[in-house]
Amino acid sequence: GDSVTQMEGPVTLSEEAFLTINCTYTATGYPSLFWYVQYPGEGLQLLLKATKADDKGSNKGFEATYRKETTSFHLEKGSVQVSDSAVYFCALIRIQGAQKLVFGQGTRLTINP
Amino acid sequence: EAGVTQFPSHSVIEKGQTVTLRCDPISGHDNLYWYRRVMGKEIKFLLHFVKESKQDESGMPNNRFLAERTGGTYSTLKVQPAELEDSGVYFCASSQLQGRIAEAFFGQGTRLTVV
Repeated sequence: GDSVTQMEGPVTLSEEAFLTINCTYTATGYPSLFWYVQYPGEGLQLLLKATKADDKGSNKGFEATYRKETTSFHLEKGSVQVSDSAVYFCALIRIQGAQKLVFGQGTRLTINP
Repeated sequence: EAGVTQFPSHSVIEKGQTVTLRCDPISGHDNLYWYRRVMGKEIKFLLHFVKESKQDESGMPNNRFLAERTGGTYSTLKVQPAELEDSGVYFCASSQLQGRIAEAFFGQGTRLTVV
């Protein structure tokens, strides 16, 4: 079945550091790919998405590129802030069939000032 | 506009007890989804309502879980009797258009702890 694998957390960085959170997927066909974020005390929010190979999703300084050849969708940010501390989830939806989000296990990110 | 609201935010119950979680979707959203994250693992789909009908309940783990959406407004998820492995965070989401889960809005989740 479809699955998403994220790098193990927690991840702790200093402010202004470069961030990468790895995400790889297994799916039939070509899914749409997403990153969700959950800030403390808040609900899940869609951070960015990409719907086809080589697409780059971006939002709030975060970027992720849909790499079909490596089945990856790594999340990156050039300079993180304390306010980026949250749990990040990589997810996919198959283009065909039932529209269900398949999530990774989440990566907790803590940014220290 | 109010977002998706879930009650309670946190619940601690003993094994064997009953707990009911509630989700109030965004007004006018016909689609309502339940997901859960157990023990820090991946978030998994439980079920999908379209109005008051269960469109897909393939993710419901067993018959101890009962979801309802009377009148197509708010939804409840009852766990009876609760077991230790039911501990986790239960998320609700709603969307206006069917088949557009990626455009759904999620609630803050209910953290359930079974002791």
